[in-house]
This record gives sequence, C-alpha cells and structure tokens, in this order.
Amino acid sequence: EADIYQTPRYLVIGTGKKITLECSQTMGHDKMYWYQQDPGMELHLIHYSYGVNSTEKGDLSSESTVSRIRTEHFPLTLESARPSHTSQYLCASGMVGGHEQFFGPGTRLTVL
Amino acid sequence: AQKITQTQPGMFVQEKEAVTLDCTYDTSDPSYGLFWYKQPSSGEMIFLIYQGSYDQQNATEGRYSLNFQKARKSANLVISASQLGDSAMYFCAMSGSGGYQKVTFGTGTKLQVIP
Repeated sequence: EADIYQTPRYLVIGTGKKITLECSQTMGHDKMYWYQQDPGMELHLIHYSYGVNSTEKGDLSSESTVSRIRTEHFPLTLESARPSHTSQYLCASGMVGGHEQFFGPGTRLTVL
Repeated sequence: AQKITQTQPGMFVQEKEAVTLDCTYDTSDPSYGLFWYKQPSSGEMIFLIYQGSYDQQNATEGRYSLNFQKARKSANLVISASQLGDSAMYFCAMSGSGGYQKVTFGTGTKLQVIP
C-alpha cells in the first residue's frame, strides 16, 4: 500500500505570506512530483525530482520552488502567496523503472 | 511530445450498466505506458489500471478493463456493472519509455452513476 503524506490538507492564507506545502513518502521512491490542479480540471506538472539534490521544473510555469534534501521529503514553497496560487496541489512518487505514480491526498490552498 | 485526449467532459450511466470512457493518445516513443486514475470529489488520485504498449492482452483489474487499440492509438476504460461509488472524475494518462519518464494527463471525464 502506498504511503505518501501531504500537510496541510487545507490552507487558507492571506496575500504575501510565505508558505511551505509538505510531502513525504515512506516507500523509498526516487521519483517525486508536484502537480497543480484547479477544480474539475487536468493535472499540470510543476516540479519533479529524480533523487536527492535533483529538481526540475515541470511543464507548467510556477512561481513555487522545491527542494530534495532527503529521499523521502519533497516540500514546495511559495515565497509570496497570491490569489492566483489558489488551487489544489498534489504530490506523487514512483519507483525508477516503475509505471505507477502514487499520489498523496492533496493540499487545497486558498489565498485571499 | 506526448498528448492525451479525452473528448467526453461528462457522462451519465445507469447503475449496474457498463460504461466506456474514451481516451486517445499521441506519442513518438516506441515504448510507452497508459494509465487510468479515478479522482473522487475528495480529491485524491486513485490508480486503476495500467497497459504497456507491448502487452499483447488488454489489461483488466476487477470491474475495470482497458480496451487498447494500438493502431488507432486509443486506450478506452470500460467499467462493468457501474456502482454509485464509481461517480468521479476519470483521468487517462501516459508515460514514455525509460526509467525517468514523466506522465502526461488528459483533461478528464466526469462520470455520474444514476440509481
């Protein structure tokens, strides 16, 4: 069974605040991903990592940044939140050579 | 580049009936994988089924089967004996070859099961 966690599940925050969305997995997966998804819409890849100290930008431009200091941890940071950042953020992980991506429960972010 | 197309924004199906959700894809990779995910209103993504491009037989997982037609570049999801709990968004996705492939998602189909 997949074990991938995201905190917080819901976050309402004011414009200009710095926020960090946490994502952790206990499966030892090298590959981790962040997706942004507006309600009822498709997923857009915003960041990915293939291992410690490896991070890449995804297909959708994002003002967020990520880090991968430990295999199990892949946090996403917004230095200055804006209403346009309001969305759901989904974290996923997978094995190298594997096909399935295991998803966390998501963080629903609302910036006022 | 990979592209996934889901042309059905929404569908209705009667409980206990079968339903087919359409998915077509485009890729230049000779080897690729095709997936379906279910996303209930709670927001989590649930993996349903996987089909490799070189798999000879269509993938099946319980009530889910993937109708893979390589020449037509289609990978439709068939749900048999629909249940009320099947009401959700369904996303088709694909990955390229190699161990570090990214996954491309379609725009999704919202399925509603009617009692």
